[in-house]
Amino acid sequence: EAQVTQNPRYLITVTGKKLTVTCSQNMNHEYMSWYRQDPGLGLRQIYYSMNVEVTDKGDVPEGYKVSRKEKRNFPLILESPSPNQTSLYFCASSLGQGLMNTEAFFGQGTRLTVV
Amino acid sequence: EDQVTQSPEALRLQEGESSSLNCSYTVSGLRGLFWYRQDPGKGPEFLFTLYSAGEEKEKERLKATLTKKESFLHITAPKPEDSATYLCAVRSHSGGGADGLTFGKGTHLIIQP
Repeated sequence: EAQVTQNPRYLITVTGKKLTVTCSQNMNHEYMSWYRQDPGLGLRQIYYSMNVEVTDKGDVPEGYKVSRKEKRNFPLILESPSPNQTSLYFCASSLGQGLMNTEAFFGQGTRLTVV
Repeated sequence: EDQVTQSPEALRLQEGESSSLNCSYTVSGLRGLFWYRQDPGKGPEFLFTLYSAGEEKEKERLKATLTKKESFLHITAPKPEDSATYLCAVRSHSGGGADGLTFGKGTHLIIQP
């Protein structure tokens, strides 16, 4: 089954404690991205990756890092989480930007609470 | 900068009561308009892609249409299981990011039995 898998689904942590949210896709997609979703603000892109070892900032990258060492994995790293990073996070993948209008597939989400 | 505005923010319908959701967009060169369904606490689920004005697509009780400035998601004789938040997104030639998607804030649809 084609899917994007995120872990963990739920996470409560304390301010300043480094954490990683994993994302893996089994569709051999080139493009992967991270979004956060907040009430009243909708989905906003954090970082994206066009292929292995190629990453770039989205609209709200502050406080986040990513890496793309393998095509299937795209972890999101919070080096020093703060309460304003409490949010619902989604990983997404799509076939390729060069192809016309390919849809993005989303993971099930990670609900992060930073206290 | 791409902009997507969805209306209404929330809509409550009786089962069987047809209606339409609106997605207005401003982009530089549309490369695709996408409709997603999102259930509470879950990831968006792809519904449709529309590429050019005049295009229509249907799936069960849902029909999506596209003009040069907006898209409509028509819901015919909805059932309670159609309750969800419906998201509209655009991809443009000027959009950023790997997939260049700009999302609207969504319409929260409730279908009452």
